[in-house]
Amino acid sequence: DTGVSQDPRHKITKRGQNVTFRCDPISEHNRLYWYRQTLGQGPEFLTYFQNEAQLEKSRLLSDRFSAERPKGSFSTLEIQRTEQGDSAMYLCASSSGQGAIGTNTEAFFGQGTRLTVV
Amino acid sequence: AQKITQTQPGMFVQEKEAVTLDCTYDTSDPSYGLFWYKQPSSGEMIFLIYQGSYDQQNATEGRYSLNFQKARKSANLVISASQLGDSAMYFCAMRAYPGGGNKLTFGTGTQLKVEL
Repeated sequence: DTGVSQDPRHKITKRGQNVTFRCDPISEHNRLYWYRQTLGQGPEFLTYFQNEAQLEKSRLLSDRFSAERPKGSFSTLEIQRTEQGDSAMYLCASSSGQGAIGTNTEAFFGQGTRLTVV
Repeated sequence: AQKITQTQPGMFVQEKEAVTLDCTYDTSDPSYGLFWYKQPSSGEMIFLIYQGSYDQQNATEGRYSLNFQKARKSANLVISASQLGDSAMYFCAMRAYPGGGNKLTFGTGTQLKVEL
């Protein structure tokens, strides 16, 4: 296993179009996270899955954003009616563990999908 | 709420020298963990080191060490014997329990440039 994989690496889209990103986590990891990173900032949390259940969503995740993890393996993040403000790097991360997540669970990140909305 | 502050937008260090990257944090949760990640230009976030709030000793991982001062709420990263490959963006992050949920809260990062 080579780590967390994200596809595509880059996406340019016109404003108003829908886009979908895919994340394949490390195979034995049951936890999956999406983050968004804009230029000059650190990553900001978007949402978290444990297996197929979406357990936490940030207020940053407007109703134009939807994330799924249908079989508890790969995940997709869809943005509908894209806006220029959606331009960012979208990072996926995964981690393992059972029960309460605890504070020491490190997350392994993918290389991200860079979205440019023109 | 959790907050991470990194006040150094950019740092320069000579090859083979040590460098300290600053990080202060704020949380009202009793249990928390502090992480440092490295982000090269390729974009991937690479985990470097972890420090738990109840750990008595400062964490070390190879050339990386974490200078944890709980009373000052600081968790500075020390890189010893800098190498050209250390040039990257460095992020401090925190996960706090229970109030922080499952997310990592990141600072704005420090761009480190290692020079010959």
